[in-house]
Formats: sequence, C-alpha cells, structure tokens
Amino acid sequence: QAQLVESGGGVVQSGRSLRLSCAASGFPFLHYGMYWVRQAPGKGLEWVALIWYDGSYEHYADSVRGRFTISRDNSENTLYLQMNNLRVEDTAKYYCATYPGSDYWGQGTLVTVSS
Amino acid sequence: DVVLTQSPLSLPVTLGQPASISCRSSHSLVHSDGTTYLNWFQERPGQSPRRLINRVSKRDSGVPDRFSGSGTGTDFTLKISRVEAEDVGIYYCMQGTHWLTFGGGTKVEI
Repeated sequence: QAQLVESGGGVVQSGRSLRLSCAASGFPFLHYGMYWVRQAPGKGLEWVALIWYDGSYEHYADSVRGRFTISRDNSENTLYLQMNNLRVEDTAKYYCATYPGSDYWGQGTLVTVSS
Repeated sequence: DVVLTQSPLSLPVTLGQPASISCRSSHSLVHSDGTTYLNWFQERPGQSPRRLINRVSKRDSGVPDRFSGSGTGTDFTLKISRVEAEDVGIYYCMQGTHWLTFGGGTKVEI
C-alpha cells in the first residue's frame, strides 16, 4: 500500500532550524515530482516547495524562498525540507505529496515556532 | 501566478439536498501533456485533508458516488448530489498544472 510518512516536526524557537523528512513506500518514488504544503492553525492550505522527480529543479513559495530548501534522496525514497531562520508564522502542519497530481498525500507533521 | 477563486466561501446545506461549489482559475488548467490537474480536497473537522476528486472528475477510491467533479479550462465545479452529515467540513480546489495553487476553501455546514 502506497504511503507517505512525515517526521521531524516539533517545537523550536524563532530563528532556529528544523529538518522535515517524508518517507515514501509502495509506489515508484523516483518517478514522481514531490512537494510540501502546510496548513497554519485555522487557515487554508499553502504550498511551500516542490521538486522535480530527479531533483533537477526546485520551486519555492515567496514566503519561504531563501529560508527553506527542498531536496530528495531517491535511493532512500525520502523527501526533505530544510527550514532555516524559522518564524512564528511558519507554525503549521506540514504535509508532503506527489506532484502534479497529489496522488499520494501524507498525514502531516506539526511544526510550532515560538517567539 | 495562477489564482483559484472558490465560491461561495460558506455554504449552508440541508441534509438530503444537493450542494455545489465553484472554482474559477485565472488561467487555463490544461497542461501541455493534455491533462487538467484540478483536484478537490475535503477537510473534515479535526482531520487531515484528503483528496476526493482528481483530474477534474475522477473520484478517488472510497469516495461516495454522491460526489462529482466537472468543468473545463478555467471553470470547475464540485457537486454533492445529496448532502449527508459526514460531508460537513472545508473543501478546497487545487491545481497542479502551473506549479501549485490552492483555492481559499468553502466551508460546508448544516
């Protein structure tokens, strides 16, 4: 059964860093583009970053460009999101999903940034 | 950037009655590969979002057939033929044709 499992969330102070992981199984990970999307408490969905299937191209939302880096390890079937210089407004539940069809979607990991 | 505009923002519904949500795009969502990557997601209270409809009209596994999606180009619609209590929640349209965009959401409430 195909699944995506996020991990790495937690509570962190403003200005610090955190690295999220998304472990894929049950489908050909290396054939899919991937993205991260987040949902702040009580808010809608906001895409954060996406990466081509082979890691050759990345694209970021303006709100995180220059602070977040998306990457992947196709040998480990894992997607990453390195989040630096975190801000209180980055507090959200972070999900990973396949691109462009969102055929697979994880259960999310919670990131809380305190001031 | 593509903008997805959902309407209405809030949708009071009556159990057993139909309901409809509109999603309008600022650009055509037909990809160069011929596919229209327009999805609908449902977020029930306290749960993670789940995809209901993919590629405009394809129901995902386990989704009741009272849900249907339609549309072409820039105008899309999610319909619930007969609303049930478990359908309460927030519905989002989302496009993956030109990078990614999510609509602002429509809150469906009894």
